[in-house]
This record gives sequence, structure tokens and C-alpha cells, in this order.
Amino acid sequence: DSGVTQTPKHLITATGQRVTLRCSPRSGDLSVYWYQQSLDQGLQFLIQYYNGEERAKGNILERFSAQQFPDLHSELNLSSLELGDSALYFCASSVSPGGTGELFFGEGSRLTVL
Amino acid sequence: ILNVEQSPQSLHVQEGDSTNFTCSFPSSNFYALHWYRWETAKSPEALFVMTLNGDEKKKGRISATLNTKEGYSYLYIKGSQPEDSATYLCAFTSGTYKYIFGTGTRLKVLA
Repeated sequence: DSGVTQTPKHLITATGQRVTLRCSPRSGDLSVYWYQQSLDQGLQFLIQYYNGEERAKGNILERFSAQQFPDLHSELNLSSLELGDSALYFCASSVSPGGTGELFFGEGSRLTVL
Repeated sequence: ILNVEQSPQSLHVQEGDSTNFTCSFPSSNFYALHWYRWETAKSPEALFVMTLNGDEKKKGRISATLNTKEGYSYLYIKGSQPEDSATYLCAFTSGTYKYIFGTGTRLKVLA
């Protein structure tokens, strides 16, 4: 158990809908990272927050947004969903703001868009 | 665009064989190189973090080396066991807070 909690574990929805994925980092970790893993692809970096502030952005679509709340949990919002958004979404946390800290991953949220 | 490449993509070895994989990363603006192990139906777990050129890390039968000047890292597994079967990921950071992952090497150890 990494200490990172992601909900929901599985989600099935239809095209055009909006979903919210939630992540609670390990106790004491201030950094939260979001990754997308599509079929046969590696972990694609989406976005990172540190202590409530956005620190880095990757290939995150404009239809997607995220935030980190004062209690350090984070939410990834995916809207106007398309079939291609079906993927495993991972959240990871780290104690450091970036670079040398070990990432602790949650178990992922599997999104299926029909 | 930062590119992290891993080879081979997949590998089947017999129990007891030793094996190694390669991670190639940009040699400029290096900050750290990470190795993760990802078992099926689980989430990635950190193996090593390396920051200095020439770093060598070891954990049991698994070890890793780092060459930041030429931009590569090797992961070695000595005497592979079936429980070593997993995908091994490397991730590069350049101080921009992004951890850029390679696509991984999928290892299957046959008993």
C-alpha cells in the first residue's frame, strides 16, 4: 500500500459526459502528479501541483483541468469526453516539489468512455 | 520535447539468467534518473533514484548504473526469478518538476 488513494477505481461513462477523479496523497506529501496511461502507451505526464499551486503542465488537453485543495487532495476533471480518453489515470505524490523525490503511485482510476 | 527511450521493449529470459535493460535520456539539464518496477494489476513502485554521474545503486539482485554525460542508465538483474516478471520503467527529471517516463521494458522470467 503506497498510501495514495484514488477514487473511483473504475468508471464507465458516455461520450460528451464529464467526470471527476480524486486523489488523496500520502500523509505529508505536498506534490501531486497526474498521469494518463492509454492502451500500449507509457505514462503520459498531465499536470503537477505543489502545495496547492500548479507547478508543471504536460500534454493535458484543454478539456481537462485539475486542482489541489488546501487539504492537499487533488481532483482531475475530464469534460466533453471522447472515446480516446479511455485510459488508466494515475495519481502520484511526493514529499519534494520535484526532481529527486520518489513518486508514490495510487492504484489508478480506469476510465472507459462508451 | 524530452524523450526517454527504453530498450528492449520486452524480454523473455529463463529463471537464473542475468539480464539488463537500457534507458536513454537527454544528457543536458539532467537532474535525476529514476527506475520503477510495475507489476501487472499493481501500481509502479520506486526502485532507485540516481542523481550523480557514475552513481551505482543496488537492491538485492537488482542494480543500476548512471552515465549522465552520454545520457544512459542500465538496470541489471542477476539470477532472474519468476517474481522479477514486471515492467521496468525509467523516468528522467530535468528540474522542471516533470517526471518523464519511458515506455518500459516488459520482463517475463520463465520458470
